[in-house]
Amino acid sequence: AQKITQTQPGMFVQEKEAVTLDCTYDTSDPSYGLFWYKQPSSGEMIFLIYQGSYDQQNATEGRYSLNFQKARKSANLVISASQLGDSAMYFCAMREGWVGGGADGLTFGKGTHLIIQP
Amino acid sequence: EADIYQTPRYLVIGTGKKITLECSQTMGHDKMYWYQQDPGMELHLIHYSYGVNSTEKGDLSSESTVSRIRTEHFPLTLESARPSHTSQYLCASTMGTGGNEQFFGPGTRLTVL
Repeated sequence: AQKITQTQPGMFVQEKEAVTLDCTYDTSDPSYGLFWYKQPSSGEMIFLIYQGSYDQQNATEGRYSLNFQKARKSANLVISASQLGDSAMYFCAMREGWVGGGADGLTFGKGTHLIIQP
Repeated sequence: EADIYQTPRYLVIGTGKKITLECSQTMGHDKMYWYQQDPGMELHLIHYSYGVNSTEKGDLSSESTVSRIRTEHFPLTLESARPSHTSQYLCASTMGTGGNEQFFGPGTRLTVL
């Protein structure tokens, strides 16, 4: 079973509109972290935001916020006031198992290709 | 800005050649990782290291090998490159566990003819 599911392969959004990118996850580990990364066409991975499983409040970083619904196992990324430079691939990722000494590498979803139109 | 470097950025090589992809970080991070990403696809963990002399295989089986003789250096080697190895390889490092972000290098795009 997929551990990270991103159901939107591609999205077109008008500039200045808000965007919500969906992410659901699957884990039985009580301690886990959820990350969002942006990957422009140049290929580098840019960290955007992090949410820990025990965090009480939704994470925010500038124009990025994470809508964390733990019971639904969902961690959607919200980008407010989108800009042309936001056009890129967006990946949701999870880290789990580090408490038990696990690998703690990231498991990634398949990504969403976001295109911002002028 | 993350201080993690990968060389070469692009490599086109013939089948059967031995190659080494370099990864270095100047942040003093103990944990380092290699991910493989096929075009338009997600990243998969292929190797990781907790520190010097520690190397482990990741979730995705890979014919590559890694070494960690120095904290800052985590090279990946393919003894005999094949067209199926064509992919992007991304190196990452992190300070510790839990919520610390993984800093990624710019990646190496490998093409094996």
